[in-house]
Amino acid sequence: DSGVTQTPKHLITATGQRVTLRCSPRSGDLSVYWYQQSLDQGLQFLIQYYNGEERAKGNILERFSAQQFPDLHSELNLSSLELGDSALYFCASSEGGDEDEQYFGPGTRLTVT
Amino acid sequence: GQSLEQPSEVTAVEGAIVQINCTYQTSGFYGLSWYQQHDGGAPTFLSYNALDGLEETGRFSSFLSRSDSYGYLLLQELQMKDSASYFCAVRVDRGSTLGRLYFGRGTQLTVWP
Repeated sequence: DSGVTQTPKHLITATGQRVTLRCSPRSGDLSVYWYQQSLDQGLQFLIQYYNGEERAKGNILERFSAQQFPDLHSELNLSSLELGDSALYFCASSEGGDEDEQYFGPGTRLTVT
Repeated sequence: GQSLEQPSEVTAVEGAIVQINCTYQTSGFYGLSWYQQHDGGAPTFLSYNALDGLEETGRFSSFLSRSDSYGYLLLQELQMKDSASYFCAVRVDRGSTLGRLYFGRGTQLTVWP
C-alpha cells in the first residue's frame, strides 16, 4: 500500500458525459501527478500540481482539467468523454516537486461506452 | 521530444538472471527510473540512477551509461512473483518540470517454473 488513495476504483459512463476522479496523496506529500495508461499509449503523464499550483503539463487534452485543493487532494475532471478516453488513470505523489521516487495510487479504471 | 525503447517481452525461468534494456533519446536528461507493475496494479518504484554506474538493491540492480543513453535493469534469482511489467522512465531537467517522468512502453517479464 503506497498511501495514495484514489476514488472511484471503477467508473463506467457514456460518451459525452463528464466525470471527476479523486486522489489523496500520501501524508506530507506536496506534489500530485496524474497519468493515463491505455493499452496502445502506455503510461502518459498528464499534469503535475505542487502545493496547490500547476507545476508541469503533459499530454493533457483541453477536455481534461485538474486542480489541487488546500488540503492537497486533487481532482481530475474529464468532460465530453470519448470512447478513446477509456483507460486506467493513476495518481502519484511525492514529497516535493523533484524527488526520485513517486508513489502511485491503485488507479481508477474508466470505461466509456 | 523524448523517446524510450525497451523490449516488449522477456521470458526466463525461476532462478535465472534477466536483463531489461532501455535506450532513450531526450534533451535535458536528468535521471533514469525503473518501475514494476503487476497486472492491473499500481506502478511501484524500483530504482533510480542519475550517475553512471550500477546501483544494487537486493536482487535488483540498475545500470546507467549517460554517454550511451542507455540503462538496464538486472533481476537475479528470479521468482514467479517477478512476473510483471517493467517500465523505464526518464526525468528531464527543465527547471520547474524536473519532477515529471516520461515512461517507456514497458517490458512484460514472464517467469516460468
